[in-house]
Amino acid sequence: GAGVSQTPSNKVTEKGKYVELRCDPISGHTALYWYRQSLGQGPEFLIYFQGTGAADDSGLPNDRFFAVRPEGSVSTLKIQRTERGDSAVYLCASSSGPGDPFNSPLHFGNGTRLTVT
Amino acid sequence: RKEVEQDPGPFNVPEGATVAFNCTYSNSASQSFFWYRQDCRKEPKLLMSVYSSGNEDGRFTAQLNRASQYISLLIRDSKLSDSATYLCVVNGVNRDDKIIFGKGTRLHILP
Repeated sequence: GAGVSQTPSNKVTEKGKYVELRCDPISGHTALYWYRQSLGQGPEFLIYFQGTGAADDSGLPNDRFFAVRPEGSVSTLKIQRTERGDSAVYLCASSSGPGDPFNSPLHFGNGTRLTVT
Repeated sequence: RKEVEQDPGPFNVPEGATVAFNCTYSNSASQSFFWYRQDCRKEPKLLMSVYSSGNEDGRFTAQLNRASQYISLLIRDSKLSDSATYLCVVNGVNRDDKIIFGKGTRLHILP
C-alpha cells in the first residue's frame, strides 16, 4: 500500500516568508510525528499527534512553528516568518498507534527539504 | 545528561569484520527501544526492535542492558551495504509519550 507522503519534496523560500509543509500518513495510522533533521544530526522531535490532538508539542522550537491535523489524517506543519536557521529536512512519520510499541514502528516519509535564503 | 546519546563515529571498518556500538538513555523507566538505519539523504527505516532478552536477525544482534541503561547493536561479517547511519530510538514511559532519536552513529565499511 501507499506509504507516508510528504509534499513538497523541496521548498526554497526567502527569509521572513510563511511556509506550509504537508504530510499524508499511512491510511489508518492514528499516530503522526514531525521531526526536523539537520545535516549530520539525528531527527529532532517537534510534535506528536494522536488522532486530531497534539499529544506532545514540546519540541516546537518557538511560536513561529505550528502544526495541525484537523481530521486525524493529513497534517500540516506551518512556519511563520522563516529564518535561515529553519533550513533542514522536515520528516513526517506515522504509526498505527500507541498500542504495543514493538508492533507499531514509525514509518517515515521522504521528507521536505526546506531552504531559507 | 541527554535523553539518548550515541557515539557519532564515524566507525571505519573493513569488510567482513564485526562492529558494535552502544546507545545510552537517561530515563530508567523507558519501555521500548529500536535501531533504525538511515542511508545518506534518505528517510530512517526500522532495522530492529530491541527486546529485553536480546534478539538476533541474521548478522545483526541487539541487546538491552537496563541496569546500565544502554542498548547495543552488533553487526557480524559486515558488508559494504551496511554503510549507513544507525539511529538509536527510545520510546517514552507512557503509551502516549514521544519517541526520541539519538544523533546516530555513522558506519563506513571499507572494501
